[in-house]
Amino acid sequence: QQPVQSPQAVILREGEDAVINCSSSKALYSVHWYRQKHGEAPVFLMILLKGGEQKGHEKISASFNEKKQQSSLYLTASQLSYSGTYFCGGGGATNKLIFGTGTLLAVQP
Amino acid sequence: NAGVTQTPKFRILKIGQSMTLQCTQDMNHNYMYWYRQDPGMGLKLIYYSVGAGITDKGEVPNGYNVSRSTTEDFPLRLELAAPSQTSVYFCACRTSQETQYFGPGTRLLVL
Repeated sequence: QQPVQSPQAVILREGEDAVINCSSSKALYSVHWYRQKHGEAPVFLMILLKGGEQKGHEKISASFNEKKQQSSLYLTASQLSYSGTYFCGGGGATNKLIFGTGTLLAVQP
Repeated sequence: NAGVTQTPKFRILKIGQSMTLQCTQDMNHNYMYWYRQDPGMGLKLIYYSVGAGITDKGEVPNGYNVSRSTTEDFPLRLELAAPSQTSVYFCACRTSQETQYFGPGTRLLVL
């Protein structure tokens, strides 16, 4: 069963913040975050390998709560270039990565 | 260094026809994956491989076959195309740090 993301879609104005959540019913050993722009392939953002780990990439950061099987992606001071669909990916005990349901983010001027 | 390349970029198939989607990577990674993405939906894992000669099923393997004779190539075979296989197909390889790099995708339309 794939991880569930919330919200399904969000519209922001430039400079606003957003949080995207990812929740899994199965045990997660790692959480991956990807961004996909329309008509393009997904692009890697970051990976969190340990419970409680937080990582940052410019104004995009993420946290991973291993006990709750949840991860959150934080986008601060959003830019037009942040628009796209964000996917979390749950890494389990196997070599497979199961992607979440996706969150469409639209940043408007 | 081209990364992950996929051919063709776009293909129209008739119901019942067969085709092979090609995927090649030049990064020498052992792990490779095939995903499909239906319009407006997420990515579903079809098959994956942990190295030459080793493949395994993902979430939605029915109607597809794969082979992995070399580290570089991971072709996906559709034997009897059905309209339900209309989708965008992405190939990806995985680094030792678990980052997945995706190819540009193959858009397949089955009519």
